Amino acid sequence: DIQMTQTPSSMPASLGERVTISCRASQGISNYLNWYQQKPDGTIKPLIYYTSNLQSGVPSRFSGSGSGTDYSLTISSLEPEDFAMYYCQQYDSSPNTFGAGTKLELK
Amino acid sequence: EVQLQESGPGLVKPSQSLSLTCSVTGYSITSSYRWNWIRKFPGNKLEWMGYINSAGSTNYNPSLKSRISITRDTSKNQFFLQVNSVTTEDTATYYCARSRYLFFDYWGQGVMVTVSS
Repeated sequence: DIQMTQTPSSMPASLGERVTISCRASQGISNYLNWYQQKPDGTIKPLIYYTSNLQSGVPSRFSGSGSGTDYSLTISSLEPEDFAMYYCQQYDSSPNTFGAGTKLELK
Repeated sequence: EVQLQESGPGLVKPSQSLSLTCSVTGYSITSSYRWNWIRKFPGNKLEWMGYINSAGSTNYNPSLKSRISITRDTSKNQFFLQVNSVTTEDTATYYCARSRYLFFDYWGQGVMVTVSS
């Protein structure tokens, strides 16, 4: 299975700050990379598909980029509702697999 | 609006079977898409378990293939997960989700299942 390494595992940040979460695959995944947000109440929301495509309804402060084995999720200016867990997921190879998550915390 | 809702027992004994239901409203599970089960372990790890597609075909994670089954009742617009021979390692929050290919665009709220005697 492809291993997805997310860094950092936790990140303290401030309102209005620009943050970037990284995700590295154990082999190239040809941009088949999605991002999700999990809120403290457990609800999971899709954010970005195929590396950089924003899911309908997701604010434009979220963006994704990357290629090969290295991908990232950037939030340009943190809002209160952005403090949550974030997961990347590869679907280039079966079974699709997730990163271990990054917890974005209020500094 | 598409909504998914998991239901099932919150406590299962070791060696028994775990059975969960996902009830879907706002979209017919026979129209299109894949209908998945995903679980989140206590340490936050997410694991895709498998799906049933709109035609009724299934695909499972090889790590679970011998123990799980995903079926459906089209008359009730529901799909189901069964995991056999559970151990404490199956303790997790179980989610059902819709996917177009393998992007999960709608999720249920999740149901916590504990395996314990």
